[in-house]
Amino acid sequence: GIQVEQSPPDLILQEGANSTLRCNFSDSVNNLQWFHQNPWGQLINLFYIPSGTKQNGRLSATTVATERYSLLYISSSQTTDSGVYFCAAPPFGNEKLTFGTGTRLTIIP
Amino acid sequence: KAGVTQTPRYLIKTRGQQVTLSCSPISGHRSVSWYQQTPGQGLQFLFEYFSETQRNKGNFPGRFSGRQFSNSRSEMNVSTLELGDSALYLCASSLTRNTEAFFGQGTRLTVV
Repeated sequence: GIQVEQSPPDLILQEGANSTLRCNFSDSVNNLQWFHQNPWGQLINLFYIPSGTKQNGRLSATTVATERYSLLYISSSQTTDSGVYFCAAPPFGNEKLTFGTGTRLTIIP
Repeated sequence: KAGVTQTPRYLIKTRGQQVTLSCSPISGHRSVSWYQQTPGQGLQFLFEYFSETQRNKGNFPGRFSGRQFSNSRSEMNVSTLELGDSALYLCASSLTRNTEAFFGQGTRLTVV
C-alpha cells in the first residue's frame, strides 16, 4: 500500500519563527489533507489540497502531486500552534486515509 | 452546523468484555470511517461505511466490527477486549466517498 512519510519528526521553535513541514507519499493519491491534532486528540482540519497552493491566515500548503509531496508552512508561530501535525492521503481507487507518522511541533514563548 | 459527535468520550473496560462506540456524522454526510490511534502504530484505518454498507476494511481481526444506520450514524463494536485494544478511536465523516474528511473528538478506550 501507499507509504506516507513526514519530516521532520520533531521541531522546536521560538515564538515568531516560521516553519515548513513536509509530507512525501509513495504513490498517486486522490487527495491530501493536513490536520492538527489538539491536546485532547481531535484532528482539526487545516487543508484539503489535492494539488496547488492554499492559504488560511498564517498557514499555507502546497501539494505537487506529480512529484508526490506536500508542504505545510506556518508563519509567525504562536504557542497555540504547538501539537502534532499529520498529513493523510487515500491512494487512487481507495477511500481510506493513510496517515503519516506526524510532526510534533513545539513553540517556545 | 454540528460537527462529528462521538460517544462516549472515555471508557474503561476489563479484558474479555465487549464495547460499542457511536459516531454521529455531520448532517448530510453519508460516509463514515473509523480509525484507531495508538502510540506504537499511529493512526490506522479500521473500516468505512457508505449507504449502510461496509465499503472498505483495514487489517484488524474479526473482533472489530461496525455498522451504519439509515440516518448515517455508525457504531463500531469490539468484542473480547484485549489490553492492546487500548487506544483513541476516531470517527470521520465525509459528504460522500473520497471527499474531505472531518473528525470527531474521539473515544479514548482503556482496557484493564
